[in-house]
Amino acid sequence: AQKITQTQPGMFVQEKEAVTLDCTYDTSDPSYGLFWYKQPSSGEMIFLIYQGSYDQQNATEGRYSLNFQKARKSANLVISASQLGDSAMYFCAMREVSGGSNYKLTFGKGTLLTVNP
Amino acid sequence: ETGVTQSPTHLIKTRGQQVTLRCSSQSGHNTVSWYQQALGQGPQFIFQYYREEENGRGNFPPRFSGLQFPNYSSELNVNALELDDSALYLCASSSSDGIYYGYTFGSGTRLTVV
Repeated sequence: AQKITQTQPGMFVQEKEAVTLDCTYDTSDPSYGLFWYKQPSSGEMIFLIYQGSYDQQNATEGRYSLNFQKARKSANLVISASQLGDSAMYFCAMREVSGGSNYKLTFGKGTLLTVNP
Repeated sequence: ETGVTQSPTHLIKTRGQQVTLRCSSQSGHNTVSWYQQALGQGPQFIFQYYREEENGRGNFPPRFSGLQFPNYSSELNVNALELDDSALYLCASSSSDGIYYGYTFGSGTRLTVV
């Protein structure tokens, strides 16, 4: 079963508008972390924002905010005032235990965001 | 502080050959993880190294192996290459100190197996 689900293969948004990228996750571990990464065509994974499972407030980083709904197991990324440079693949990922006290990231399949001028 | 550097950036190999990919971790980070990203997919966890020992592995066969060196840099070795090994290989470094496990990724190595 998928642990990270991103249901939007592609999204389009007009420059300067806001856009929400969806992510739902599945875990039985009470302690986990959720990440969003941006991957331009160059391939590098660029960290955007992090939300810990015990964090009381939604994470924000500049134009990025994470709409964390723990009961619904949802961690949507909101990008405000979209820019042309925001066009890229966006991945939601969850940090989970990989045997003992070791951790790994489990990624969704990604959403391709295109910002139109 | 320096980021994560991977080499080479691109590589073409023939089926059955062996390949070594290299990664230097970010300054201050002592843990290195490797991920395989097939075209159109999200990255898949291969394994992780901490203190020169493998301490976590994904669903990859033993022909995927690695090393971590005292300076925390790392190598990923793949033997008996198959066509399906064609992918972007990403290295990520992190620190095991503290509760927050931030990950810094490199730009990856694009491996093509023909």
